[in-house]
Amino acid sequence: DSGVTQTPKHLITATGQRVTLRCSPRSGDLSVYWYQQSLDQGLQFLIQYYNGEERAKGNILERFSAQQFPDLHSELNLSSLELGDSALYFCASSVAARDTQYFGPGTRLTVL
Amino acid sequence: DQQVKQNSPSLSVQEGRISILNCDYTNSMFDYFLWYKKYPAEGPTFLISISSIKDKNEDGRFTVFLNKSAKHLSLHIVPSQPGDSAVYFCAASGDNYGQNFVFGPGTRLSVLP
Repeated sequence: DSGVTQTPKHLITATGQRVTLRCSPRSGDLSVYWYQQSLDQGLQFLIQYYNGEERAKGNILERFSAQQFPDLHSELNLSSLELGDSALYFCASSVAARDTQYFGPGTRLTVL
Repeated sequence: DQQVKQNSPSLSVQEGRISILNCDYTNSMFDYFLWYKKYPAEGPTFLISISSIKDKNEDGRFTVFLNKSAKHLSLHIVPSQPGDSAVYFCAASGDNYGQNFVFGPGTRLSVLP
């Protein structure tokens, strides 16, 4: 158990819909990262927050957004969903930048 | 453009033998590298790291070697055990890349009993 929690575990929705994925980092970790893993692909970095502020953006679509709240949990919002958005979405946390990242179990999103 | 490459999508090794997983990178500014292991239906878990000031780091059965001139690192698992069967990701980071790690596509290791 990494100490990072993600909810929900599974999510099935339809094209055009909007969903919110939630992540609670390990106690004491200030950095939160979001990754997307499509079928048999590597981990694609989406976005990073540090203590509530956006620190870095990767290959994140404009239809996607994220935020980190004062209690340090983070949410990833995916809107106007397309079939190609079906993937595993991982959240990771670390104490500080470039520290080891600890990953949550992921949310499997299926868009029908 | 893939900055971190793991050219072997899969590898099979006999139990008790050595597993060698390879990773190549293109960005010479990368100076910190990690290996993660991922089981199905779980998130990746950290295995071992190496900084560019070293060329070797060891932790139990796991050793990572870094060849900076070749921009190559490898993970050695000795002896391999069936429980090591998983997907292994190499990740790299550098000051010029902000605070992010770039992950390779992964290598699926199967350790056969």
